[in-house]
Amino acid sequence: DSGVTQTPKHLITATGQRVTLRCSPRSGDLSVYWYQQSLDQGLQFLIQYYNGEERAKGNILERFSAQQFPDLHSELNLSSLELGDSALYFCASSPPGGRNNEQFFGPGTRLTVL
Amino acid sequence: AQKITQTQPGMFVQEKEAVTLDCTYDTSDPSYGLFWYKQPSSGEMIFLIYQGSYDQQNATEGRYSLNFQKARKSANLVISASQLGDSAMYFCAMREAYTGNQFYFGTGTSLTVIP
Repeated sequence: DSGVTQTPKHLITATGQRVTLRCSPRSGDLSVYWYQQSLDQGLQFLIQYYNGEERAKGNILERFSAQQFPDLHSELNLSSLELGDSALYFCASSPPGGRNNEQFFGPGTRLTVL
Repeated sequence: AQKITQTQPGMFVQEKEAVTLDCTYDTSDPSYGLFWYKQPSSGEMIFLIYQGSYDQQNATEGRYSLNFQKARKSANLVISASQLGDSAMYFCAMREAYTGNQFYFGTGTSLTVIP
């Protein structure tokens, strides 16, 4: 158990809908990262937050948005869902000044868009 | 051009032997970091090891070591004394400051450890 929690574990929804994925980092970790893993696109980095501020942005679609709240949990919002958004979404956290840039991953949320 | 290339889709290794998983990268940024992750069949993602572009020594974490050859732009993962539990997908990734600290991932190598 990495100490990072993600909810829900599974999500099944329809095209055009909007969903919110939630991530709680390990206690004390200030950085949260979001990744998408799909059969088509492989592993992709979406976005990173550090202590509430956006730190880095990857291949995140405009239909997707994220934020990190004052209690450091993070949410990834996916809207106008398409079939191709079906994927495993990982959240990871890392501590400030972390040893060797170590990241701790949550178990992932598997999103299925029908 | 691909930022990260992993040319071995699948690898086999005998238990207790060492194995090297290849990774080459492409960047013109002098400041970057290289990462290796493990993903067992259960699906979770596990961080293994990190190497910074300015690090003078190769990174090591237990049985994992990163063979960093900067001039050749390679960052191969060496697993010593393979165990059955090492059977998994292994992903190499790079983070470069030049592109705003984006991560780029390879397509992965599937490692099977044979008893």
